[in-house]
Amino acid sequence: GQQVMQIPQYQHVQEGEDFTTYCNSSTTLSNIQWYKQRPGGHPVFLIQLVKSGEVKKQKRLTFQFGEAKKNSSLHITATQTTDVGTYFCAGNLNNDMRFGAGTRLTVKP
Amino acid sequence: KAGVTQTPRYLIKTRGQQVTLSCSPISGHRSVSWYQQTPGQGLQFLFEYFSETQRNKGNFPGRFSGRQFSNSRSEMNVSTLELGDSALYLCASSLRGQGYNEQFFGPGTRLTVL
Repeated sequence: GQQVMQIPQYQHVQEGEDFTTYCNSSTTLSNIQWYKQRPGGHPVFLIQLVKSGEVKKQKRLTFQFGEAKKNSSLHITATQTTDVGTYFCAGNLNNDMRFGAGTRLTVKP
Repeated sequence: KAGVTQTPRYLIKTRGQQVTLSCSPISGHRSVSWYQQTPGQGLQFLFEYFSETQRNKGNFPGRFSGRQFSNSRSEMNVSTLELGDSALYLCASSLRGQGYNEQFFGPGTRLTVL
């Protein structure tokens, strides 16, 4: 079963609002990756976090890796309709990537 | 650089049959991982091959098997198909392995078992 928990399962926002999805693991992760899957598409790599407490930014997206390397978050500032899709985290557990269930984001224009 | 390709894109089978899916990774990538994606279970890891050796395996029954060839192309086989095997099967390639660097996913093979 899933060893990486991701919440929320769904998030519906008004365009311009912020969005955050969270991932939690019961065990320490070697690293964590984030992917985006557009409706009808396949997952596309966004970023990898490796270091404890790491924070990385990609334009309006901010990724964080917890100090204990057991949790991570993806925050989108001022969402746009192009942000629509499902965001997955994937935690590395002994070189075995375990995907979270994903957060499906819908954006109302 | 060509992306990851998967064939066939769609497949319809009946219970009890077997199926073989193919994945061609990005040139130079030695790792190929397979995932099953369903609405209820999300993305589930099946196995990873690296340089023709299975490096990791998820929690799937022995009906699910795979192999990798010397050119890094990989095949996945499912025997004695069950209705619950209906899913999108995705393969992903990476340079050194799924845990080391980014994975590039193919478009997937959508399998329907009737």
